[in-house]
Amino acid sequence: DTGVSQDPRHKITKRGQNVTFRCDPISEHNRLYWYRQTLGQGPEFLTYFQNEAQLEKSRLLSDRFSAERPKGSFSTLEIQRTEQGDSAMYLCASSLFRRGLTSTDTQYFGPGTRLTVL
Amino acid sequence: SQQGEEDPQALSIQEGENATMNCSYKTSINNLQWYRQNSGRGLVHLILIRSNEREKHSGRLRVTLDTSKKSSSLLITASRAADTASYFCATAPNTGTASKLTFGTGTRLQVTL
Repeated sequence: DTGVSQDPRHKITKRGQNVTFRCDPISEHNRLYWYRQTLGQGPEFLTYFQNEAQLEKSRLLSDRFSAERPKGSFSTLEIQRTEQGDSAMYLCASSLFRRGLTSTDTQYFGPGTRLTVL
Repeated sequence: SQQGEEDPQALSIQEGENATMNCSYKTSINNLQWYRQNSGRGLVHLILIRSNEREKHSGRLRVTLDTSKKSSSLLITASRAADTASYFCATAPNTGTASKLTFGTGTRLQVTL
């Protein structure tokens, strides 16, 4: 048990619907990451937060995607007007980042949310 | 996009044998990490090796890093059926304070009794 939780674990939706996923990181961790993984591939970076600030977004994150981390604790990832190509596993990870110690910034992953868009 | 490739894509061995999987990457790194993923589940962190390290051990795991060749290998000794999973290498960039991970394509390991 890594301590990172994600909800829901599975989501089936129809094309065009909006979906929202939640991630609760390990409590003392200040960084939170979102990744997307499609079948047979490694995870791909989407975005990350340090505390409540969103510091980087991938080009994969189209304008239909939005992520928030209010108060620097849990995070939500919303996908608007879902498309079949959005079907994937959405993984959340957290880490404790300390300036000057980037080499120990180990990321701990949650179980993921599997999205199926019909 | 994926950082690099892992080799082999799939590996099948018998319990008790050693498993070696390789990872190549493309850019300068701060560290390289190996993760395990059981089917349809999240990733479990196995080991981290820094760019100034050449070899690291953790239990039955041995990781090597050759930054001149931009490659790493993961050796699992005395494999067990429970080691059956996909294994991914992931690199952290050598840039400022960013530490997003870039993953390889993974090696699917099957350990049979």
